[in-house]
Amino acid sequence: AQSVTQLDSHVSVSEGTPVLLRCNYSSSYSPSLFWYVQHPNKGLQLLLKYTSAATLVKGINGFEAEFKKSETSFHLTKPSAHMSDAAEYFCVVSDHSAGNNRKLIWGLGTSLAVNP
Amino acid sequence: NAGVMQNPRHLVRRRGQEARLRCSPMKGHSHVYWYRQLPEEGLKFMVYLQKENIIDESGMPKERFSAEFPKEGPSILRIQQVVRGDSAAYFCASSPGRGQGRDYGYTFGSGTRLTVV
Repeated sequence: AQSVTQLDSHVSVSEGTPVLLRCNYSSSYSPSLFWYVQHPNKGLQLLLKYTSAATLVKGINGFEAEFKKSETSFHLTKPSAHMSDAAEYFCVVSDHSAGNNRKLIWGLGTSLAVNP
Repeated sequence: NAGVMQNPRHLVRRRGQEARLRCSPMKGHSHVYWYRQLPEEGLKFMVYLQKENIIDESGMPKERFSAEFPKEGPSILRIQQVVRGDSAAYFCASSPGRGQGRDYGYTFGSGTRLTVV
């Protein structure tokens, strides 16, 4: 079975400093991996996705993530945090095992706070 | 392209009433997925539908919950006799049909926040 573990439930950084949100996954198949962001009382926005192409994936708003198969990780990074980055971030893996039903398996989320 | 449209954005129901949540997929998308987000939790898969077909409902509670995606009109998630524990955000996503390869995309709506009082 596939699963996702977000290693930190809360991360706090200062504006202008780097962001690292950690995600490990478990998958029996070559996974597709995603990061979504959710601002308070808003919908879900796709930041980036990995689907077996380049292992370093660039997304919107300066975020990127690197797929490391040997470490089963897909950590999200950004060189310099902005106040508007404060939100909930979800690491997601796509379940290819269930007859191609493509269910998304979600991590519990990491709440990112950005301090001035 | 208006994206995935969900309505209402907020829904308040008394215990025992029925809740109907609507989802109109993106133009050209024939697959709809419903997810539930309980407070301070990630999303949990509920059901996957194509037009007039339920493909996978393994995440749906056995009782009171049902979903449909008719030939015409939006997908409907229906919760009968709501209880306090049904209070959550319900998100709908749509994607293109199968056979799109691994590089498919999910587009999520803004969600419906159901509060049961």
